[in-house]
Order: sequence, then structure tokens, then C-alpha cells
Amino acid sequence: GENVEQHPSTLSVQEGDSAVIKCTYSDSASNYFPWYKQELGKRPQLIIDIRSNVGEKKDQRIAVTLNKTAKHFSLHITETQPEDSAVYFCAATYGNNRLAFGKGNQVVVIP
Amino acid sequence: GAGVSQSPSNKVTEKGKDVELRCDPISGHTALYWYRQRLGQGLEFLIYFQGNSAPDKSGLPSDRFSAERTGESVSTLTIQRTQQEDSAVYLCASSLRGSSGADTQYFGPGTRLTVL
Repeated sequence: GENVEQHPSTLSVQEGDSAVIKCTYSDSASNYFPWYKQELGKRPQLIIDIRSNVGEKKDQRIAVTLNKTAKHFSLHITETQPEDSAVYFCAATYGNNRLAFGKGNQVVVIP
Repeated sequence: GAGVSQSPSNKVTEKGKDVELRCDPISGHTALYWYRQRLGQGLEFLIYFQGNSAPDKSGLPSDRFSAERTGESVSTLTIQRTQQEDSAVYLCASSLRGSSGADTQYFGPGTRLTVL
């Protein structure tokens, strides 16, 4: 099956700085890579996704880059704010639209 | 429109009892997924329904777990003879098509199951 590795497990940044989370995947057939944000006690919410036919996608302060050759993709958050504090999960498709999730990354933005 | 809903939001049960968790997907979504999230952990795939196709049960951890879906609507996840290690948040998600390989999944709020 698909294996998705996510690192670092915890990331602390000063408010205003950038945060970068990296994920690697194992299945070269994966073609869809979403990122979910989960605040404490709440459901995962999609924040951005990228498909395998593009290398980068940006939405305001959030961007995702994809390197298919190296099989890794990254989430970039610029000008971090306290409300960005959450657990972020990366995922990759495999099989018939199944998603394999990374173990999550706790981002703490220090005011 | 309405998102994915789940009930109950919390369930406390005694070891050995059976529990049934319910998921109502977004109307019109043909694909439905169940995941388990243990405390501080990632999402573990359990089962996947796509239209009238046979469900993908490859993530179910044991034969105590089963799930059904009525057409393209509500789904129930049943755990028989619950064990303490079954304690987790059970999340349901739905997506529009589910067969394209690139389909956004929308999550429900989850059911927090505690087995005493």
C-alpha cells in the first residue's frame, strides 16, 4: 500500500515567519495530494491540494509544491498567524481514490 | 449546503458491548469513507464505498468491524464486542465521484468512542 511520511512532527515558529512541512510518498501512481488542517477537537478541513500535472499551487499565504521525480511535496505557510496553529496532515492517493495520510505535524505559532 | 454529519458525537460503552455509528454524507456524493483517529495520531483508513460497487474493506482491523451503506446515502459502522483499543475518534468522509483518483474528501465532525 501507499506509505506517506511527514516531517517534522512538531514545528514552532514566531508569528510572521514562514513554516514548511514536507511529505514523501511511495506510490509513483499517486496523482492527488491534499493538505488538511485539524484544530483541536475539530474535523480535518481541506486547505489546499495539488494534482500531479502541476508543480506548484498557491492560495494567499499557503502554497504547495510537488516534485514527482523525488516523490515529495511540501506545504508552505507564509506570514504565520496564531490562528495557523493546528495539526496539518498531508495525504496521497493510491488505489481507487483511497487516501493515505501522514501522521500529522503540530504547528505552533508563537505570538 | 449541509456538510457530512455523524451521530452520536460521543459514545461511551462498556467493553464487550456492540456499538453502531452513523454517517450522513453530503447529498449527491457517491463515495463514502470511514477512518479511525487514535489520540494524537493520523487517520487510519477503514472502509470505502463507491456507488453500487463492492466496498473496499481492506482497512478494517478485525472481523468485529463491519459497515453498511444504503444506496448512496447513510452509512453505519458497527463494532461488535468492543475492546479498549477501539477507543478513538471515528471519522466519516464523502466525495463527489470517488473513482477519478483526484477527488476532494469532506470530513464529518467524528464520533468519539470511549470503551471502558
